[in-house]
Amino acid sequence: AQKITQTQPGMFVQEKEAVTLDCTYDTSDPSYGLFWYKQPSSGEMIFLIYQGSYDQQNATEGRYSLNFQKARKSANLVISASQLGDSAMYFCALTGGFKTIFGAGTRLFVKA
Amino acid sequence: DSGVTQTPKHLITATGQRVTLRCSPRSGDLSVYWYQQSLDQGLQFLIQYYNGEERAKGNILERFSAQQFPDLHSELNLSSLELGDSALYFCASSVGLAGPHEQFFGPGTRLTVL
Repeated sequence: AQKITQTQPGMFVQEKEAVTLDCTYDTSDPSYGLFWYKQPSSGEMIFLIYQGSYDQQNATEGRYSLNFQKARKSANLVISASQLGDSAMYFCALTGGFKTIFGAGTRLFVKA
Repeated sequence: DSGVTQTPKHLITATGQRVTLRCSPRSGDLSVYWYQQSLDQGLQFLIQYYNGEERAKGNILERFSAQQFPDLHSELNLSSLELGDSALYFCASSVGLAGPHEQFFGPGTRLTVL
């Protein structure tokens, strides 16, 4: 069975600082993917970054990087140089086989 | 803009009614996924179609059904609606059948059942 856990319901970060959002997972699929999505107050789901289970290097997309530690089954999202527009809900998702599951999300508040 | 379109954006209806939500995937994507996002249940996977065939089922109620048509658009039918069905319904699409493919989400349909 697949499981994904986001233990931080809410996080605060000062503008221009870096922040790490935690995500741990469990799966028996040898091939899987981990994703992060951003959901601003407007409601849309915005794809941020993807990490494949066989990828040797951590994924990066602009200010977003994924700290993938396979042995620890964690896939934390790091946002560098936070901006006010980063205030949103962030979801970690695990996909493997035919199913995708989402974590409960972390609400990030960026302070000016 | 993800390239995935969903209609309508908002839907208000009464208990006991039936509604149809529509989704058009990104050009070239063969897989369509439906999700329900509610305040108490979070984001729940409902069902996946690939090239017209059902491929995976999640927490989809028997009152709900879906299909994917030859032109790859998909419809989610919700019947005998209850107050608890009020939620944001997302459609997502991806290029592949299974495994780690990015899913791109549509803007969602907000369903309110009164």
